[in-house]
Amino acid sequence: DAGVIQSPRHEVTEMGQEVTLRCKPISGHNSLFWYRQTMMRGLELLIYFNNNVPIDDSGMPEDRFSAKMPNASFSTLKIQPSEPRDSAVYFCASSPGLAEDEQYFGPGTRLTVT
Amino acid sequence: KNQVEQSPQSLIILEGKNCTLQCNYTVSPFSNLRWYKQDTGRGPVSLTIMTFSENTKSNGRYTATLDADTKQSSLHITASQLSDSASYICVVSAFLRTGANNLFFGTGTRLTVIP
Repeated sequence: DAGVIQSPRHEVTEMGQEVTLRCKPISGHNSLFWYRQTMMRGLELLIYFNNNVPIDDSGMPEDRFSAKMPNASFSTLKIQPSEPRDSAVYFCASSPGLAEDEQYFGPGTRLTVT
Repeated sequence: KNQVEQSPQSLIILEGKNCTLQCNYTVSPFSNLRWYKQDTGRGPVSLTIMTFSENTKSNGRYTATLDADTKQSSLHITASQLSDSASYICVVSAFLRTGANNLFFGTGTRLTVIP
């Protein structure tokens, strides 16, 4: 199994541009999570899908952030327009069941907004 | 307020020595507690998951303990190796009425093992 796949691994963009991060969960996993990690705030859960349905999006910072999961094998996290304070590492994780089950993390996307 | 606090923030130890990392939480109602290891530039990897009824769980040289009464957990690393250098993150889950879980994260302990 290839594990959770994220792309791109690194993204550098200018303030105001749209950014789309992509994630392919482990095949057969029912839950998918998007996280953001910064030095100041540590790891933060942004949104959690179960069976492609958003269950908890209370961690999404503001309307500039949106996430979709059109099918069981693909999810996107979009930031529009991006701001310098969005610079962080964004992780996608999947689990075979619900949020309390073990989660498997992808390698992350390092986003830099200048 | 649901919170997870980890200590120390950072730790430096000599190779071969033991160490203990601490996690205190105020999350309620408690579902489970997880310890993750995160190498620099990588995603977190689960070390242990403990539910309310579990006091101790081991994974090789890593042993996690849980005291649900005092709401404290510790991660003990035995005979440390250079590869143990990483951040260790404590994550506590709480039950929600919807049946989904709320996840609360500590800010991690940065461990450096030196030869």
